[in-house]
Amino acid sequence: DAMVIQNPRYQVTQFGKPVTLSCSQTLNHNVMYWYQQKSSQAPKLLFHYYDKDFNNEADTPDNFQSRRPNTSFCFLDIRSPGLGDAAMYLCATSRDGNRGNEQFFGPGTRLTVL
Amino acid sequence: GESVGLHLPTLSVQEGDNSIINCAYSNSASDYFIWYKQESGKGPQFIIDIRSNMDKRQGQRVTVLLNKTVKHLSLQIAATQPGDSAVYFCAENSGAQKLVFGQGTRLTINP
Repeated sequence: DAMVIQNPRYQVTQFGKPVTLSCSQTLNHNVMYWYQQKSSQAPKLLFHYYDKDFNNEADTPDNFQSRRPNTSFCFLDIRSPGLGDAAMYLCATSRDGNRGNEQFFGPGTRLTVL
Repeated sequence: GESVGLHLPTLSVQEGDNSIINCAYSNSASDYFIWYKQESGKGPQFIIDIRSNMDKRQGQRVTVLLNKTVKHLSLQIAATQPGDSAVYFCAENSGAQKLVFGQGTRLTINP
């Protein structure tokens, strides 16, 4: 089945140790998104790619970076994780992001920072 | 600025009863809305959507109502089942390929 896949599902890292989360999709969608979701809160958009065009949210810390080497894959890099970065990280895709095109979410990666 | 918010953070209903989850939005230019269901430990799952040229849309056991006059939408779930227990988010497609999420309502189904 076409889907959005995130690996790993659970990631533990140490304070300040770089970590990379991955997302892949078989939907061939143009847009890929990364969200941060903390407990009992709504997903917060960090950035998204429309094809190769990167769109950063104004309040996304510089500590968060992203790469999209091809249509299928997108990575979230956290350069120096702090305790406040512990959260669920959700990847989503959309055909073209326009109204009427829903976003499909992956299962998420839960990041723990020790 | 844009914001999408929910009236109640938690809602408990008896199994078999109907439930109504509410959402308010502030951007009068909003013209497309989505309801997502998020079960514990999972990503949000699309339930139903509605465009601003509609007042009501029905799916399987779910109905979304949109009142543009007061900038309010609701999700009605009929004959709730234990599997309906989850957090429900309304979201607005704000254009620019982005969604704006509300804060979420946790729905608990009591046996």
